[in-house]
This record gives sequence, structure tokens and C-alpha cells, in this order.
Amino acid sequence: KAGVTQTPRYLIKTRGQQVTLSCSPISGHRSVSWYQQTPGQGLQFLFEYFSETQRNKGNFPGRFSGRQFSNSRSEMNVSTLELGDSALYLCASSSGEGLASGNTIYFGEGSWLTVV
Amino acid sequence: AQSVTQLDSQVPVFEEAPVELRCNYSSSVSVYLFWYVQYPNQGLQLLLKYLSGSTLVKGINGFEAEFNKSQTSFHLRKPSVHISDTAEYFCAVSALYSSASKIIFGSGTRLSIRP
Repeated sequence: KAGVTQTPRYLIKTRGQQVTLSCSPISGHRSVSWYQQTPGQGLQFLFEYFSETQRNKGNFPGRFSGRQFSNSRSEMNVSTLELGDSALYLCASSSGEGLASGNTIYFGEGSWLTVV
Repeated sequence: AQSVTQLDSQVPVFEEAPVELRCNYSSSVSVYLFWYVQYPNQGLQLLLKYLSGSTLVKGINGFEAEFNKSQTSFHLRKPSVHISDTAEYFCAVSALYSSASKIIFGSGTRLSIRP
């Protein structure tokens, strides 16, 4: 069974640009969640999508958004990039009711974003 | 609101020695508890989790953790570590029975194994 796949793995963007990251969950998983990992702030929850609906969102500005498609694939978008957005962005998927039911979260290898 | 504290940012241990990584949490509701491991340049992998029942939870790679409700702790232990255990370990908590649940991670503990 294929794991969580994230694309692209590495990318460099310029301040003010926008970026879209893609995530394909494990087959059959309807919950997809996104996380930002930085040396200073650690691992922070961005949002969770379940059956195309955003369930919950972490403490991030509106520049961070996401969506989920009917096949459970998800994208996250960051607009007007700032230097501080440089981070590893991790996507994860979960079976059943996702985060609400304590199901195991399976992580992808992440997308490394560098903003210059 | 929930929070997770990992008191030790780094733990150096000799190979074959025992190790304990500490995790304390706070929450106004019942929680699920997790330990994840992150190897260099990889995503996170679940080591073990506590949902309910027995307070001693056994996970992969010989790790185990004990849920202590009175001390609001979920410390991770291994009786004998190997070089391959070198990684960063994250404790996490999510709320029970919440449709608006989210998961909160601790700041991580970097475990370094010395030969």
C-alpha cells in the first residue's frame, strides 16, 4: 500500500510569491492534515480536512489555506510568502474519523520550502 | 486548551544503556497520547499511542510508555538503546471525542546514542 506522497519535495520561492503544495493520502484515508515544522517553532498543526471540509485550523494567518478534493487528495497554498515561511511542510493522512478518533496519523516525507 | 511539554531538548545516552524521554501534558478534557519518531530527512513515524485501557503501552522498536493520569505524564522508555535509535522524538496529544480535534506536538527531544 503506497504511503502518503507529497510534491514537490524541494522548492525555492521569492518573497511575495505564492506556493502550492500537493499531498496524496494513503488509499482509503479521508482525513488529511498539514503541519509546519521549523527549528524555532517546532511542529505546528496547520489544518485538517475530512471529506472535502476543513475541520479545524491552527493559529496561522489567512495567507495559509488549503483544500481537499473528492478523491481525498489535498493541496495547501501560501500566498504572499515571507522569509519566515521557510519550513518543512508535512502532510499526513488518517483512516476513520481522523484526528477526532485517535487514529494513527501517517506522515509523508514533507516538502522543503525555502523563501529567499 | 491542550499543551505538551518535553522537558529535555537533547538526551545523550551510551549504546545499550536505558533511556527515558519525558513528556507532560495539560488538558481540560480527556486526551489521546502519542509518541512519534523522526529520522533525519524523513517524516514522522508512530512509535506508540494511548487511547484507553492499560496504562502501559508497548510500541515498535522495543519502546514503551506509561500513561500517568495523576501526574499528567506519558514518558517514553527503552531498556537498551541502539545506534539506530538516534532520532528526534515527539510527544503529542489530541482531544478525545472532538469533531474539531487537532493534535498538539511537543517541541521534541533529540536522542543521540554514543558508542
